[in-house]
Amino acid sequence: DVVMTQTPVSLPVSLGGQASISCRSSQSLVHSNGNTYLHWYLQKPGQSPQLLIYRVSNRFSGVPDRFSGSGSGTDFTLKISRVEPEDLGDYYCLQSTHFPFTFGSGTKLEIK
Amino acid sequence: EVQLVESGGGLVKPGSSLKLSCVASGFTFSSYGMHWIRQAPKKGLEWIALIYYDSSNKYYADSVKGRFTISRDNSKNTLYLEMNSLRSEDTAMYYCAKWGGITSFDYWGQGVMVTVSS
Repeated sequence: DVVMTQTPVSLPVSLGGQASISCRSSQSLVHSNGNTYLHWYLQKPGQSPQLLIYRVSNRFSGVPDRFSGSGSGTDFTLKISRVEPEDLGDYYCLQSTHFPFTFGSGTKLEIK
Repeated sequence: EVQLVESGGGLVKPGSSLKLSCVASGFTFSSYGMHWIRQAPKKGLEWIALIYYDSSNKYYADSVKGRFTISRDNSKNTLYLEMNSLRSEDTAMYYCAKWGGITSFDYWGQGVMVTVSS
């Protein structure tokens, strides 16, 4: 199985500040069709996960442009600028290039 | 508006069975693959099963293969997860999720809790 390593585990940030989360995979996430299926989710406290970014850098419907994704191959980053209180929660990366689909272990974004 | 509503969870003893349901609305259910994903208490997310839009293919995580069965009834807009031989390690919140293809799991239900304990 593809192992997704997320860092840091916990990320204290100031409101209005910037946050960066890393996700590394144990093998390349480039599919045989040339696409890279790496996605980012936010799970707010007491809620189900919600899609933020799909296929590395595409914001899902309704996601503010404060969220951006980048990366390639095995190394990916989620950046959040101008952090707001509603951004707090657990962030997960997901790869759907290889079966079984696997998630990162999560990064908790909290207020400094 | 896309809605996914799970039901059927509860407290059961090890070795017993349970069947979860997920009723979908707000999209053409019969056109999309569907998944089950679970989250043990205070833990991360684990994908466990996928069913194609027409039930032609089903895939399972090794942790549930041979014990869990995913199915769907497109006439009822409903996804199912039949769970047999339940173990304490199956204790988790179970989510159904719509497969958007390139958008991966684009919509999730609110989850249903399954607790396996003697």
